Amino acid sequence: SQQGEEDPQALSIQEGENATMNCSYKTSINNLQWYRQNSGRGLVHLILIRSNEREKHSGRLRVTLDTSKKSSSLLITASRAADTASYFCATLFSGGYNKLIFGAGTRLAVHP
Amino acid sequence: GAGVSQSPSNKVTEKGKDVELRCDPISGHTALYWYRQSLGQGLEFLIYFQGNSAPDKSGLPSDRFSAERTGGSVSTLTIQRTQQEDSAVYLCASSLEGLAAEAFFGQGTRLTVV
Repeated sequence: SQQGEEDPQALSIQEGENATMNCSYKTSINNLQWYRQNSGRGLVHLILIRSNEREKHSGRLRVTLDTSKKSSSLLITASRAADTASYFCATLFSGGYNKLIFGAGTRLAVHP
Repeated sequence: GAGVSQSPSNKVTEKGKDVELRCDPISGHTALYWYRQSLGQGLEFLIYFQGNSAPDKSGLPSDRFSAERTGGSVSTLTIQRTQQEDSAVYLCASSLEGLAAEAFFGQGTRLTVV
């Protein structure tokens, strides 16, 4: 399978704590993207990191990419109850069709 | 339109019937994806359209599934002779052409086969 694999599958933390989610993939990529999903319906794009980038920030989000280990991490700092959602990494594979393939996701619960 | 639109939002059908799910992508987006998501699971890739190229159908789970994209815009996913295991949320996404493009998702169609 070309899917990315996220871990942990589920994460439960208190408000104010940081949340770290990891994603691993199997083949060469052009970029890696993180998405958020509330209530099992539409996904919202959070951040994109290109294969030649190592780190990227957006507000309270920090994404790292290690192409040698074929892995990425998403860090949410100072979490809030509103961050409760499922988070997915998606990889855009290089070569042939540039289709976007999603991992299984991490379910994050942030408790007040 | 302002975003990706999918219809219907919910569909209940009897086993053995055919269903059609519709996706209206964002105007100007040349790439269109269909995914399937079972309860509590990740997104399973089904099919990918890019411009006028032949679609990548490698994710379609069986020959009961087919999809079309007319005029490079609206897409229809058809499931023939539905089975209970087809029950899932079917998500459509579109993006601009190019490798740095983010995908914009519709709210999905929840299909229940009874």
